[in-house]
Order: sequence, then C-alpha cells, then structure tokens
Amino acid sequence: DAKTTQPNSMESNEEEPVHLPCNHSTISGTDYIHWYRQLPSQGPEYVIHGLTSNVNNRMASLAIAEDRKSSTLILHRATLRDAAVYYCIQAGNTPLVFGKGTRLSVIA
Amino acid sequence: EPEVTQTPSHQVTQMGQEVILRCVPISNHLYFYWYRQILGQKVEFLVSFYNNEISEKSEIFDDQFSVERPDGSNFTLKIRSTKLEDSAMYFCASSASGSHGYTFGSGTRLTVV
Repeated sequence: DAKTTQPNSMESNEEEPVHLPCNHSTISGTDYIHWYRQLPSQGPEYVIHGLTSNVNNRMASLAIAEDRKSSTLILHRATLRDAAVYYCIQAGNTPLVFGKGTRLSVIA
Repeated sequence: EPEVTQTPSHQVTQMGQEVILRCVPISNHLYFYWYRQILGQKVEFLVSFYNNEISEKSEIFDDQFSVERPDGSNFTLKIRSTKLEDSAMYFCASSASGSHGYTFGSGTRLTVV
C-alpha cells in the first residue's frame, strides 16, 4: 500500500504557481521522495525526486521539510498541459508503489 | 531523450489465450519493471527484474505471469491463459538504479474478450 497522503484533487489557474502537498510521516532515513505524474491516457512520467535537500529541475521544484515527514511539489507556472494526476511516493531501494495521487486541474 | 518502447500498443485476445507484451528498456538501464493499470484504478506494481532474475514481485504476479529478457535489449511479460480481469494497461519501466527515476513506456492496452 502507498505510504503517502495527498489531497484527492486541486485546482489552479493557468500561469500561476501550484504547490502540491504530500505527507510521508513513516519515511525512513534511506527512503527517497519521488514525484511522478500521469497525463490522460499516458504512462507515468518522472517529475523529480530527492532525499533531504530541496531539488530543482526543468519541470519542477521539490521542497522537503526539515523532518522529512512532508514535502511539496512546486510547479512554478502551471500550463494546461500540466493537468494530470500527480503521485508522491516514498521508496528506498524497492519498487515504486503508486497511490491515488492528486488530480490537478488547470483552468485557463 | 531516451525512451522505453512498448509493443504492441493495443492487443485484443480471447480468454484462455497466451499473450506476450514486449518492451525495449533504455539501453544503459539495469532495472526493469512491469506495472498494470485497470481502467479507472491505480497503477499497480507487478514485478521487478535485475541481473537476469526477478528481484521482487507482487501478489498479483502469480503463476499465470512470467518475465524474460531473451536478449540484450528486450524485456517481455507473458500472460498465460488470459482472463477477463487481465484487461488493463500494462506499463514497462526501466531505471539506472533502484533508487533513481523510472522511465515508463506508453503502455500496451490489453483487452481480453
């Protein structure tokens, strides 16, 4: 079973930042925090992952709480193409287990 | 950008038949995975494969299923004696290491009739 907790759905206006929260209170010291997204009718797509420090890449930023029990995926400027289900997954050297994720709607 | 390629994109089969779903992982990746997603449901882990053997499998991955890496590039999922409830999207993924990002393919939609 997925060990993380995410809101079922969120909504954002186009061209505004989006902060997607995730709780992972049972995370162990060697677990990474992974974020994937799934666009309609497509396979999951890697977004970002991190261990302790905040991470940035061309798609998003990942802000990890100091106690590592929560994190936030930040899309700096939402576009209509960012409408997807976003999955937060805690995993060490074990296969990813997907939960229900957060369905993000982007309004033009 | 490197891709994971899955074939076929759609497969329709009769109940009781065997199907083989094919995947070409990214060439320098060492870890391979199969997941499935029944329509409207979660993405479910089936099996992981490393160093030419299964490293982990879920309860779903019973004797009906098998995986193989028949050559240096392909990674296959065989489903024997398909059932109606095997109808789903099947996704292959690969990664460079167990803790790094996975690259997923576009999936094979399997319909059992």
